[in-house]
Amino acid sequence: SQTIHQWPATLVQPVGSPLSLECTVEGTSNPNLYWYRQAAGRGLQLLFYSVGIGQISSEVPQNLSASRPQDRQFILSSKKLLLSDSGFYLCAWRSDRGNQPQHFGDGTRLSIL
Amino acid sequence: AQSVAQPEDQVNVAEGNPLTVKCTYSVSGNPYLFWYVQYPNRGLQFLLKYITGDNLVKGSYGFEAEFNKSQTSFHLKKPSALVSDSALYFCAVRDGGNAGNMLTFGGGTRLMVKP
Repeated sequence: SQTIHQWPATLVQPVGSPLSLECTVEGTSNPNLYWYRQAAGRGLQLLFYSVGIGQISSEVPQNLSASRPQDRQFILSSKKLLLSDSGFYLCAWRSDRGNQPQHFGDGTRLSIL
Repeated sequence: AQSVAQPEDQVNVAEGNPLTVKCTYSVSGNPYLFWYVQYPNRGLQFLLKYITGDNLVKGSYGFEAEFNKSQTSFHLKKPSALVSDSALYFCAVRDGGNAGNMLTFGGGTRLMVKP
């Protein structure tokens, strides 16, 4: 069966520090991958999505970036974090075949001090 | 463009009573509709989907949803609520012609089931 892993589960970072969040998927190949941010436990904002290695589409211009160095690895990064980057970051995957739902990891709660 | 509205921020229901969580959508093509549930500090869990076919869709944990094309709605229902159903529920839509396969999520509805 397919599984998705996100780490770390929680992270506290000072303003201006770099960021790297990692997401990996097991048990499938060529998944569509997504990064979302959820503020205050409510709506989801799509940040990036990827349909293949090295293919990244950005939905919201900001100081975050994403990379997909391997088929089942998706990384969210920042060179200098802002206070407004605090939130709950969720990674999701979806099969590239058929009308399948997205499946989510357990998220990373990021607090910026 | 595609959009989803969940008009209720919170729904309160007594345990054992039926529950409904409302969702309306807007797409230019055929709608693909999804419901997810989120427990505190966890990711979203998939409950059910409507792609085509029977308007009444059954999903996990006894939940079901009814697709109504004329009202552009996809309300989530359960005949008898459990306290453990208390969580945040999200409706999502994808336009069948959306090549990017991206979902648009509603703002979420918090379901509170009281014993």
